[in-house]
Amino acid sequence: GAGVSQSPSNKVTEKGKDVELRCDPISGHTALYWYRQSLGQGLEFLIYFQGNSAPDKSGLPSDRFSAERTGGSVSTLTIQRTQQEDSAVYLCASSLDASGYNEQFFGPGTRLTVL
Amino acid sequence: EDQVTQSPEALRLQEGESSSLNCSYTVSGLRGLFWYRQDPGKGPEFLFTLYSAGEEKEKERLKATLTKKESFLHITAPKPEDSATYLCAVQADTGRRALTFGSGTRLQVQP
Repeated sequence: GAGVSQSPSNKVTEKGKDVELRCDPISGHTALYWYRQSLGQGLEFLIYFQGNSAPDKSGLPSDRFSAERTGGSVSTLTIQRTQQEDSAVYLCASSLDASGYNEQFFGPGTRLTVL
Repeated sequence: EDQVTQSPEALRLQEGESSSLNCSYTVSGLRGLFWYRQDPGKGPEFLFTLYSAGEEKEKERLKATLTKKESFLHITAPKPEDSATYLCAVQADTGRRALTFGSGTRLQVQP
């Protein structure tokens, strides 16, 4: 595709429910990143993938958060037993590789609201 | 710990009134400094990457510069369509691939 796509664009859920957020990176990009942007906060790194492996999971805020990537392409971020503090915009980005010398291109985000 | 501070938090300009946005950073070793533009309800849009002090890049009315401690985004003769939040981010020269972002500068250009 032309750019990074994410689905759904908006998700409203009840506290305690599980949610899955999906990211489709730019075709040919081997590195994929998840960030979170809370109201009034800067972008916060969550996890990144090189291929299907995740060398850096240091930003995941708790063990309720997990992510996987299959086929070196689509990634899913799962939040179990959602809490109100999980409400935020979840942004996915991809880059040509994870060398650190390539720009990260962002998708439109998924706005998650936990009631 | 890598840190990025952007100033001002918000800036209101008249159309045609040039100005600069500041990004101060602290990083163990800089691999790259990135500027993004973010419109409301959208993801950040890549603008520039700067790698070393003294480097400059230009795109239309925007020019980004880099020193060892800060970066500036100069906006020349802005137009209302330049209104957006401008984000600065750094990537450290370590094994970490995450970008560390500043809180952004909200720019409003009035006609």
